[in-house]
Amino acid sequence: GAVVSQHPSRVICKSGTSVKIECRSLDFQATTMFWYRQFPKQSLMLMATSNEGSKATYEQGVEKDKFLINHASLTLSTLTVTSAHPEDSSFYICSASPQGAKNIQYFGAGTRLSVL
Amino acid sequence: QKEVEQDPGPLSVPEGAIVSLNCTYSNSAFQYFMWYRQYSRKGPELLMYTYSSGNKEDGRFTAQVDKSSKYISLFIRDSQPSDSATYLCAMSLNYGQNFVFGPGTRLSVLP
Repeated sequence: GAVVSQHPSRVICKSGTSVKIECRSLDFQATTMFWYRQFPKQSLMLMATSNEGSKATYEQGVEKDKFLINHASLTLSTLTVTSAHPEDSSFYICSASPQGAKNIQYFGAGTRLSVL
Repeated sequence: QKEVEQDPGPLSVPEGAIVSLNCTYSNSAFQYFMWYRQYSRKGPELLMYTYSSGNKEDGRFTAQVDKSSKYISLFIRDSQPSDSATYLCAMSLNYGQNFVFGPGTRLSVLP
């Protein structure tokens, strides 16, 4: 149980294009989903917290117009990197907390984004 | 001082050894403590979850929390090459909020 699916696992795009990453909780409902960014050999950097049906809460320094988050249902959140640039290349990971266990996060497998 | 500190390693041990991984933290208000294992290019996987001080055991893994010292540990008994990964500690202040992750310790278990 407690599986989080993240898609795509790898994406390569040209500079200036937008990329959408999906995060789905497959066997539980997630009131809250989190989006992280991870640089090589570094820890997770929280970008934003999204609650179903409301606007995401972004961490300081994260541009909300560049990283659009939508949490339209209890099982799906999306992160769209708009007008991607090479400096946006990174490993993006989502996590989801079950409704009945909000203090536990289950992670997706991550998306490696490379912007050329 | 960082909120959560963890030796980045790498830590190399022979197969079968007992591994001790540790985190220290500065905020005494943390109440919930977790350990995650992350294989290369994969998302973190929850290993252990504890509330407040004390020990918790699950198979070869034991988590210890010492709130008075602001120190948490993860012990791995009879370590296996498949345990080679990065181990992240995490903690939160309130239920479901304010999660903070350590930078992770890279562990290599040599056959």
